[in-house]
Amino acid sequence: DGGITQSPKYLFRKEGQNVTLSCEQNLNHDAMYWYRQDPGQGLRLIYYSQIVNDFQKGDIAEGYSVSREKKESFPLTVTSAQKNPTAFYLCASSLQGGYQPQHFGDGTRLSIL
Amino acid sequence: GQQLNQSPQSMFIQEGEDVSMNCTSSSIFNTWLWYKQDPGEGPVLLIALYKAGELTSNGRLTAQFGITRKDSFLNISASIPSDVGIYFCAGLWGDSGGGADGLTFGKGTHLIIQP
Repeated sequence: DGGITQSPKYLFRKEGQNVTLSCEQNLNHDAMYWYRQDPGQGLRLIYYSQIVNDFQKGDIAEGYSVSREKKESFPLTVTSAQKNPTAFYLCASSLQGGYQPQHFGDGTRLSIL
Repeated sequence: GQQLNQSPQSMFIQEGEDVSMNCTSSSIFNTWLWYKQDPGEGPVLLIALYKAGELTSNGRLTAQFGITRKDSFLNISASIPSDVGIYFCAGLWGDSGGGADGLTFGKGTHLIIQP
């Protein structure tokens, strides 16, 4: 079945540690996105990529990094510079051109040990 | 940046009741999207609206793209227990279409169904 797969479902990070969240899609979508969701808040954009080997900062990129080496994959690294990383992280993808809606994965919940 | 005001923040209703929620903005959007999110899951697209004045249904759900392009509403008729969740509106405003810089989310409406 086509879809967006995020892993792991739950992730724990120690102080000073970098962790990487995986996002893979087999929808042949060009664009991919990472959002952060905090309780009672809407989704806030971290990074997005409209094409392989290119990505742009969103509204809250500080303390995060991404790569887009393959069309299907858009991993997000939460670095030690992100002082408040505990949140629910959502990956999405969409077709390019026109006003294409974004489709989401099931999320990764990151917590600090 | 763009902002969407989504209301109400939460709704407590009885099973079988109709539900109405809306999003407003001071800015114009070219596309309105409505998503539903269950606990611990990612948002699922319910309805996409592409044209001012458009009224679209998906089963018991009906959504409209406001004529001014600054608002949208979502109605759910005859609510059932599985309707519980958080509903998000999202607006897309880019001139060329696509691109994450054009997508803005509301803060969500939490729907709770009382027994």
